Amino acid sequence: EIVLTQSPGTLSLSPGERATLSCRASQSVSSNYLAWYQQKPGQAPRLLIYAASSRATGIPDRFSGSGSGTDFTLTISRLEPEDFAVYYCQQYGSLSLLTFGGGTKVEIK
Amino acid sequence: EVLLVQSGAEVKKPGESLKLSCKGSGYSFSNHWIGWVRQMPGKGLEWMGIIYPGDSDTRYSPSFQGQVTFSADKSINTAYLQWSSLKASDTAMYYCARHTHSSFDLWGRGTLVTVSS
Repeated sequence: EIVLTQSPGTLSLSPGERATLSCRASQSVSSNYLAWYQQKPGQAPRLLIYAASSRATGIPDRFSGSGSGTDFTLTISRLEPEDFAVYYCQQYGSLSLLTFGGGTKVEIK
Repeated sequence: EVLLVQSGAEVKKPGESLKLSCKGSGYSFSNHWIGWVRQMPGKGLEWMGIIYPGDSDTRYSPSFQGQVTFSADKSINTAYLQWSSLKASDTAMYYCARHTHSSFDLWGRGTLVTVSS
């Protein structure tokens, strides 16, 4: 099983700042099948990025994904008030080998 | 509108059985895998497994194999998650989600399950 480790656990930033979230895999993620989700309190997760760097439908371009192999990054170029939330990465090795990272909370400083 | 609608919150006692539902609309339900995700109180997301409603092909996460059962009825665009004997540790929010492009692009609102004596 591929283990995803997200860092930092919590990121304290102000609106307008840049956020850089890391997701490191214990083994190489095949074909860059790495996705990012945003979850706000009391809501279901929302897909932001799939295939490491493709934005999902309706996602603002301040969200971008990058990386390959075992190291992936989600960048929020300028934090808006609605971006303070928990972010999860998820990898897809096969339909039997899918895992989520532990999450990074982006909080208002 | 493309939607996944999940059944309502449940309060159960240990040892009871339970079946949750997830109904899709606005897209070809039979042709997309549906995954189930657990979120325990205050914790992260855990992938439980996935089912293909078209032929009920099912894959379970090793952590949930033997603990839960997935099923689907493509005639009514509905997937199910069931337990035969609940434990207090099954208390959690359960989400269903559509699997596309190696990710989950459409999520239900979740069903809160509380198991308490």
